[in-house]
Amino acid sequence: GAVVSQHPSWVICKSGTSVKIECRSLDFQATTMFWYRQFPKQSLMLMATSNEGSKATYEQGVEKDKFLINHASLTLSTLTVTSAHPEDSSFYICSALLTSGYNEQFFGPGTRLTVL
Amino acid sequence: QQQVKQSPQSLIVQKGGISIINCAYENTAFDYFPWYQQFPGKGPALLIAIRPDVSEKKEGRFTISFNKSAKQFSLHIMDSQPGDSATYFCAASTGTSYDKVIFGPGTSLSVIP
Repeated sequence: GAVVSQHPSWVICKSGTSVKIECRSLDFQATTMFWYRQFPKQSLMLMATSNEGSKATYEQGVEKDKFLINHASLTLSTLTVTSAHPEDSSFYICSALLTSGYNEQFFGPGTRLTVL
Repeated sequence: QQQVKQSPQSLIVQKGGISIINCAYENTAFDYFPWYQQFPGKGPALLIAIRPDVSEKKEGRFTISFNKSAKQFSLHIMDSQPGDSATYFCAASTGTSYDKVIFGPGTSLSVIP
């Protein structure tokens, strides 16, 4: 149980275009999902917390107008990288919060974004 | 105070040996300490986690030791295998009243035959 999927697993786009990444909790409902970015050989950096039915909470230094997050249902959150540039190339990972007494995060497989 | 420190940055262990990764934290409000295993190009997967009410938790070859007074915890991998070669992240959060998970910088483990 507690499976989280991401789509696509990798994407290549041209500079200036927008890219949407989906995160789904497959076998549980998640009112809270998280989006992380990970650069090579580095740790996960939390970008934002996505709450179903409300606005996302962004971490300091993360541009909310560039990284649009929508959490329209209890099983789906989307991250849209708008006007992508080469410096946005990274590994984007989502997680979904399973609340059952203690709260645990389950992570998706990640999406590799390459901006040319 | 939100930082989680982790060492070593990289570790090479022979097959069958014990791999030990250490972490330390400052925030005494943390009450949930998970370890994640990440293979290249994949998302992190929860390996094992501990709450501060116990000093040790063992699951198969993986053991977490927790020292609340020292604010330190460690992961021991017994009988290390080449398939254990991955990056390991310790983390901490306030699991009861949910807060962000704070990740350590990671340890790259290589188990050589």
